[in-house]
Amino acid sequence: GENVEQHPSTLSVQEGDSAVIKCTYSDSASNYFPWYKQELGKRPQLIIDIRSNVGEKKDQRIAVTLNKTAKHFSLHITETQPEDSAVYFCAASIGSTLGRLYFGRGTQLTVWP
Amino acid sequence: DVKVTQSSRYLVKRTGEKVFLECVQDMDHENMFWYRQDPGLGLRLIYFSYDVKMKEKGDIPEGYSVSREKKERFSLILESASTNQTSMYLCASSSPSGRGTDTQYFGPGTRLTVL
Repeated sequence: GENVEQHPSTLSVQEGDSAVIKCTYSDSASNYFPWYKQELGKRPQLIIDIRSNVGEKKDQRIAVTLNKTAKHFSLHITETQPEDSAVYFCAASIGSTLGRLYFGRGTQLTVWP
Repeated sequence: DVKVTQSSRYLVKRTGEKVFLECVQDMDHENMFWYRQDPGLGLRLIYFSYDVKMKEKGDIPEGYSVSREKKERFSLILESASTNQTSMYLCASSSPSGRGTDTQYFGPGTRLTVL
């Protein structure tokens, strides 16, 4: 099956700085890459996703890039704010109708004021 | 708004007990999932179901079973709870888009402690 690796496991940045989280995947058939954010004590929620026919997608301060050749994708957060502090999970899907996602192990992002 | 609920937020059980965790979704989703979340290990898939009475093993099914008798309800069963099953359990549901781009909606989680 698919294997998704995520780095770093923890990331600390100063408010206003940028944060980048990187993921690699193993199955070249994967074609959908969502990112979930889990705030402390809350449930994971989708924040952005990208399909394999797109190289980059942006939504306000967050963006995701995909390099299919290298099989890696990244989450970029600009102008970080304390409320960005959370655990972020990347995931990959091979497009099965069963809807299974393969998750990375998560990155604990801490934004210091 | 999609709503996924879980029967308990916190649960304390004894070793050897049979434990039922229930998940209900109100959006007529076909797919439902059970994960366990442990620090540093992320979200690990235990079982999932793509239709009533249908189930598939995830990555860590040992020691667990599931039941899906109705579309909206997906139960996780620990036949004989052990201390290494102490964890946060998250349920999720999604509706197949046919392209595999399905957003999973998570429940609030059940923190299970096995003593």
